Amino acid sequence: GENVEQHPSTLSVQEGDSAVIKCTYSDSASNYFPWYKQELGKRPQLIIDIRSNVGEKKDQRIAVTLNKTAKHFSLHITETQPEDSAVYFCAASKGGSYIPTFGRGTSLIVHP
Amino acid sequence: DAGVTQSPTHLIKTRGQQVTLRCSPKSGHDTVSWYQQALGQGPQFIFQYYEEEERQRGNFPDRFSGHQFPNYSSELNVNALLLGDSALYLCASSSGAISTDTQYFGPGTRLTVL
Repeated sequence: GENVEQHPSTLSVQEGDSAVIKCTYSDSASNYFPWYKQELGKRPQLIIDIRSNVGEKKDQRIAVTLNKTAKHFSLHITETQPEDSAVYFCAASKGGSYIPTFGRGTSLIVHP
Repeated sequence: DAGVTQSPTHLIKTRGQQVTLRCSPKSGHDTVSWYQQALGQGPQFIFQYYEEEERQRGNFPDRFSGHQFPNYSSELNVNALLLGDSALYLCASSSGAISTDTQYFGPGTRLTVL
C-alpha cells in the first residue's frame, strides 16, 4: 500500500519567516495530494491540494509543489504568523474512491 | 450550509463495552469515511460508506463496524473495547457524484477507554 513520510516532525520559526514541510510517497499511481491544518483539539481542515497534472499551486501565503518523478511534494508558507501555529498533515491518494494515506504530521510553531 | 457534524463530542467507556458514534455529512455529500487518530499521529482510515454499503476498508479488525442510512448519515460501532481504542474518531464526507477526492472532516469524537 501507499506509504507517506513527512518531515520535519517539528518546525519552529520566527514570525515573518517562511516554513517548508516536505512529504514523500511510495505509490506512483497516487494522483491527489491534500494538505490539512489541525489546531489543538480541532478538526483537520483542508488548506490546499494539488493533483498530479499540476506542478505547483498557490493560494495567498500558501503554496504546494509536486515532483512526480521524485515522488515528493512540499508545503510552503510565507510570511508566517502566530495563527499559523498548528499541526500540518500531508496525504496522498489515488483518484476514484478517495482513501488518503496521511503523513505523521508536522508541528509548526511560529514565535511572535 | 451545514458542515460535517459528529456526536457525541466526548465519551468515556470501560474495557469490553460497546460504543456507537454518529456522523452527519456536509449538505450535498453522500460518502462518509471514518478515521481513527491516536495522539500525535495522522488519521488512520477505518472504512468508507457509499450508497449504504461499505465500499472500502482499512486495516482494522471486525470489532469495528458501521452503517450508512438513506439520509447519508453514518454510525461507527466498536465492540469489545480495548484500551488501545482510545483516540479521536473523525468522520469525513465527500461527494461521489462531483468528486470523491476532496474530503471535509467533522469535529471528531474523543473516546477514552478505561
